[in-house]
Amino acid sequence: AQKVTQAQTEISVVEKEDVTLDCVYETRDTTYYLFWYKQPPSGELVFLIRRNSFDEQNEISGRYSWNFQKSTSSFNFTITASQVVDSAVYFCALSEENQGGKLIFGQGTELSVKP
Amino acid sequence: DAEITQSPRHKITETGRQVTLACHQTWNHNNMFWYRQDLGHGLRLIHYSYGVQDTNKGEVSDGYSVSRSNTEDLPLTLESAASSQTSVYFCASSPGGSGRGKTQYFGPGTRLLVL
Repeated sequence: AQKVTQAQTEISVVEKEDVTLDCVYETRDTTYYLFWYKQPPSGELVFLIRRNSFDEQNEISGRYSWNFQKSTSSFNFTITASQVVDSAVYFCALSEENQGGKLIFGQGTELSVKP
Repeated sequence: DAEITQSPRHKITETGRQVTLACHQTWNHNNMFWYRQDLGHGLRLIHYSYGVQDTNKGEVSDGYSVSRSNTEDLPLTLESAASSQTSVYFCASSPGGSGRGKTQYFGPGTRLLVL
């Protein structure tokens, strides 16, 4: 069965530290998609990245980077030089090809960046 | 700009009452989804639709219904509100047929309190 695990419930760092948010997934499909969303204190869900199962290239966008490793079923998210504005809950999600567009979310990791 | 909106943003109701939460998107997306967010459970899928007149049950559909009479709207109805339905409700939409692998974009959410 499909499942997403974000084992880190809460993380607290000091500004400018690097931080990695872990995401481990389970799926039987060979074609699937992985996502990260950010939920700031204001409550909305903001899309960050989408990755399909055939593309294991790491991605970098500014201070954000993502490491996708099929061998360990992980899709980890790193923030470099964290800032207070990065404080939010971050969700990893999985969508399987044969399940249509349904998203299976992890429990979320609450990141607190202190000045 | 195209967007997805939800109304009301906050709602207080009493046990046993029927409640309808609205979701409206102007992206002309075929696929629309309703999720609920609860502490300790992340986001869970309630109902979803791949197009007009199409509706499907999600993981936690008991006590909820949806109907899709046009592309833009997917209202969520709580037939007889229960305290267990106190939650934050998010609507989302995605493009394409069946939504496979497509990014979902979320509305701002509705906070529902059932007394």
